[in-house]
Amino acid sequence: AQRVTQPEKLLSVFKGAPVELKCNYSYSGSPELFWYVQYSRQRLQLLLRHISRESIKGFTADLNKGETSFHLKKPFAQEEDSAMYYCALRDDKIIFGKGTRLHILP
Amino acid sequence: SQTIHQWPATLVQPVGSPLSLECTVEGTSNPNLYWYRQAAGRGLQLLFYSVGIGQISSEVPQNLSASRPQDRQFILSSKKLLLSDSGFYLCAWSLTGFSGANVLTFGAGSRLTVL
Repeated sequence: AQRVTQPEKLLSVFKGAPVELKCNYSYSGSPELFWYVQYSRQRLQLLLRHISRESIKGFTADLNKGETSFHLKKPFAQEEDSAMYYCALRDDKIIFGKGTRLHILP
Repeated sequence: SQTIHQWPATLVQPVGSPLSLECTVEGTSNPNLYWYRQAAGRGLQLLFYSVGIGQISSEVPQNLSASRPQDRQFILSSKKLLLSDSGFYLCAWSLTGFSGANVLTFGAGSRLTVL
């Protein structure tokens, strides 16, 4: 069965330091993967999707089929990046990991 | 433009009482519709999804049910609430077809407290 694993519940990073939020998946086919973000008092929203291969707010994520990973990265963290981040996978439905709370320290 | 509405935003109900949470989408037709429950430490749990009127897929056995009486209306219900039903419920929609498909747009959520 398909599964999305985000091993870290909380990640604290100093401002200006690199950020990496881990996501691993299990899926038998060719996956379609996403990162969603929820800022304080805002709705959950799409951050990026792997098929777009784009950088959003300085974040990128590369699909590594060999390692079944889709880690989210940003070279220099900013305080406004503090939020809850969810990795998601689409099969015939869309399932999410448990999420990682990113806390940027000043 | 497309919008999604959820109500009520907050609900406090006694154990054993019924539940009805509503979700409507505007500005699109034939969307895929989803109900998720968001809980601390448990992430986003998919409860139900629907690809069309009257078509409901249930992901988690529980005392909740969902219905889609109209194309852009999705309702989450229970006949008798349990304490464990407390949580934050999110409705979401996505397009069908290739363009923009599979990208979820979420509602603001409904916080349910069962006492």
